[in-house]
Amino acid sequence: AQSVTQPDIHITVSEGASLELRCNYSYGATPYLFWYVQSPGQGLQLLLKYFSGDTLVQGIKGFEAEFKRSQSSFNLRKPSVHWSDAAEYFCAVGAVNTGTASKLTFGTGTRLQVTL
Amino acid sequence: DGGITQSPKYLFRKEGQNVTLSCEQNLNHDAMYWYRQDPGQGLRLIYYSQIVNDFQKGDIAEGYSVSREKKESFPLTVTSAQKNPTAFYLCASRTHGQPGSNQPQHFGDGTRLSIL
Repeated sequence: AQSVTQPDIHITVSEGASLELRCNYSYGATPYLFWYVQSPGQGLQLLLKYFSGDTLVQGIKGFEAEFKRSQSSFNLRKPSVHWSDAAEYFCAVGAVNTGTASKLTFGTGTRLQVTL
Repeated sequence: DGGITQSPKYLFRKEGQNVTLSCEQNLNHDAMYWYRQDPGQGLRLIYYSQIVNDFQKGDIAEGYSVSREKKESFPLTVTSAQKNPTAFYLCASRTHGQPGSNQPQHFGDGTRLSIL
């Protein structure tokens, strides 16, 4: 069974500092990996996705993530955090699309607080 | 603009009452999903549907029911059998895409359900 671990429940960083949110997955085949962001009381917005190819993927809002198969990780990074980045971040893993619906397994999320 | 509309944003249920949460999408997506979100637990899959008139149970289907009579609509009924319904409910959809790919899920803004 697939699973996702986000070991940090809560992270606080200063505005302008760099950020790395950790994500480790367990999956028996080639995973498809996603990062989503959620503002309070809102739905989830896709930040970026990894299917194959270049292991460093760029997303929206200046975020990037690196897929490391040997470490089963897909950590999210941003070189300089803005106060508006304060939100909850979810990592998710999905199965290969066989032409039908594919389920995602989500981590429990990391809440990011940004101090001014 | 295309998107996913969930209504109402807030919903209150009395003990022993069934309530239905609406989810409509105009993205022409094939698959639709319902998730429950509780603090510290991430997103848990309730039901999903790959095509019209077909749906499958997710990880926590007990006490819930769904229908998929139209491609655009995937309503969720929280029945009186669900003893702890207070949560934030999120609807998502995605297109199947080509086999071997994996399209991301797109989310609505959620419905918060509370017990009176």
